[in-house]
Amino acid sequence: GENVEQHPSTLSVQEGDSAVIKCTYSDSASNYFPWYKQELGKRPQLIIDIRSNVGEKKDQRIAVTLNKTAKHFSLHITETQPEDSAVYFCAAKGSNYKLTFGKGTLLTVNP
Amino acid sequence: SQTIHQWPATLVQPVGSPLSLECTVEGTSNPNLYWYRQAAGRGLQLLFYSVGIGQISSEVPQNLSASRPQDRQFILSSKKLLLSDSGFYLCAWSVSGRAVGELFFGEGSRLTVL
Repeated sequence: GENVEQHPSTLSVQEGDSAVIKCTYSDSASNYFPWYKQELGKRPQLIIDIRSNVGEKKDQRIAVTLNKTAKHFSLHITETQPEDSAVYFCAAKGSNYKLTFGKGTLLTVNP
Repeated sequence: SQTIHQWPATLVQPVGSPLSLECTVEGTSNPNLYWYRQAAGRGLQLLFYSVGIGQISSEVPQNLSASRPQDRQFILSSKKLLLSDSGFYLCAWSVSGRAVGELFFGEGSRLTVL
């Protein structure tokens, strides 16, 4: 089955700096790669996703890149703000109904 | 619009007691349904998923079971809880079929087994 590795497990940045979270996946058939943000005590919510026919996608301060050959994808957050502090999960979906999640990255943005 | 509800939000249960968590989805038909567990505030582990009534796939051997008695109802159960069953349980749904798409999570149920 699919295996998703996510790094780093914790990330601390100063407000205004950029944050990068990286994930690798094992199933070359995976074709959908979402990123979820989970604030403390709340449900995970989708912030951005990318499909395998696209190399990069941006939404304001958030961008995701995908390298299918290397089987890795990354989340980039620019001009970080304190409200960006949360746990971020990457995930990969292969040729089935399941999303396999990484273990999460706790991002702390210091004012 | 589609909504997902799960309950109870929190519960404290003694070891050996039964468990029933319920999840319902509104505003869509024949959704794919999922139960995830999140231990220690981090990783999301898929426990069960269902693509239709009575169709349940189990991802990991464990003390839990799932049922889908109606199209938009998904239930997580245990006959005898273990300490290791403590965690944050999340129900989720996605659009039916094999098309890739977003997972929508419920509010979660925090279970503490003492």
